[in-house]
Amino acid sequence: DTAVSQTPKYLVTQMGNDKSIKCEQNLGHDTMYWYKQDSKKFLKIMFSYNNKELIINETVPNRFSPKSPDKAHLNLHINSLELGDSAVYFCASSQERGEAFFGQGTRLTVV
Amino acid sequence: GEDVEQSLFLSVREGDSSVINCTYTDSSSTYLYWYKQEPGAGLQLLTYIFSNMDMKQDQRLTVLLNKKDKHLSLRIADTQTGDSAIYFCAESRYSSASKIIFGSGTRLSIRP
Repeated sequence: DTAVSQTPKYLVTQMGNDKSIKCEQNLGHDTMYWYKQDSKKFLKIMFSYNNKELIINETVPNRFSPKSPDKAHLNLHINSLELGDSAVYFCASSQERGEAFFGQGTRLTVV
Repeated sequence: GEDVEQSLFLSVREGDSSVINCTYTDSSSTYLYWYKQEPGAGLQLLTYIFSNMDMKQDQRLTVLLNKKDKHLSLRIADTQTGDSAIYFCAESRYSSASKIIFGSGTRLSIRP
């Protein structure tokens, strides 16, 4: 019954690798987001999709590519991982102009 | 511009009230939120308030909004150990390209 679910919960990988994080929501929401939370707990929006269309891209390196195959899914693919990409990545969804519901986060560690 | 600010730490005795403050700069903010993040967990929406409201109460939680000063506060009555967490203030605008902007979070610790 999880509203917003992300997989995997933990991801440890080497520099230079390519990895993906998946997100699914069963709330019927139109808008989905990816947020990055750094080690100081600052939360910054990366991307926002509305009805499968990219709405917001907050100057994220183009190594990060979101993909929304349908309204209920928003995946994040990261190429050529760098040490600085280590963070917790949160997926969220909302009805347009409504409060956002967050997944449990994916803790990415690049070694 | 868009900016949301909060103090980083608050320590409160168990049973007392906690008041977490937040200021924001975007005068066109329409929704203001409080999220709670427990260690190792995601963000849980606690409550939200529309910008045309001054106050919202929900059990032990009271949200006060001073739109003129762009100041938002969250009061937790009878603070318990289970309230230990990071509390994020956030705002968004009424727009089809809305995004939620978060403050830095206030780490609330409870002392016996």
